[in-house]
Amino acid sequence: DAKTTQPNSMESNEEEPVHLPCNHSTISGTDYIHWYRQLPSQGPEYVIHGLTSNVNNRMASLAIAEDRKSSTLILHRATLRDAAVYYCILRGLTGGGNKLTFGTGTQLKVEL
Amino acid sequence: SAVISQKPSRDICQRGTSLTIQCQVDSQVTMMFWYRQQPGQSLTLIATANQGSEATYESGFVIDKFPISRPNLTFSTLTVSNMSPEDSSIYLCSVEGGQGANTEAFFGQGTRLTVV
Repeated sequence: DAKTTQPNSMESNEEEPVHLPCNHSTISGTDYIHWYRQLPSQGPEYVIHGLTSNVNNRMASLAIAEDRKSSTLILHRATLRDAAVYYCILRGLTGGGNKLTFGTGTQLKVEL
Repeated sequence: SAVISQKPSRDICQRGTSLTIQCQVDSQVTMMFWYRQQPGQSLTLIATANQGSEATYESGFVIDKFPISRPNLTFSTLTVSNMSPEDSSIYLCSVEGGQGANTEAFFGQGTRLTVV
């Protein structure tokens, strides 16, 4: 399976932007980059996904490097509710197929 | 989107007994997925359940321990059999919004199981 590497934890202040990095140097051309987050005591929640171009939705933005070997999830204004574990996952032919293979993720702490 | 309901939300069980977890989806889906999340750990896929066929289990998980039913396109059950304290985990049900890698997944709130 193509693997992703994320920092174990990050901290942010409320109402500031947060940039969560993910490295995936072995990504293939058909792998999609997915992001999920898991709030305390809840199941994972879809955040965003993309293939080559940057993506925006109401929750976040996904910036994908030109060589696709890394990506960054951007939360434009962090709130206390954004404190969660964020998972960067590859899905595709080399990303374990269509399966979602969760790594350890990044624990985001948001402070007042 | 899909709304997933899991029952029970939590349970405390005696070792040696079995617990059946139910997963109900508000729309018809081809595949349903069962995950385990051990304390302080990430999610691990247990099996994929298709309606009308036997579930496909991931390495390290066997049907005798985790039998799965999929009687229709909106419902599935996972049974944790002959439980031991090592089975204490959160068990989650998941479905896909479509097919393929270009689709999002939806998760239930999970069933928190404690085996004593």
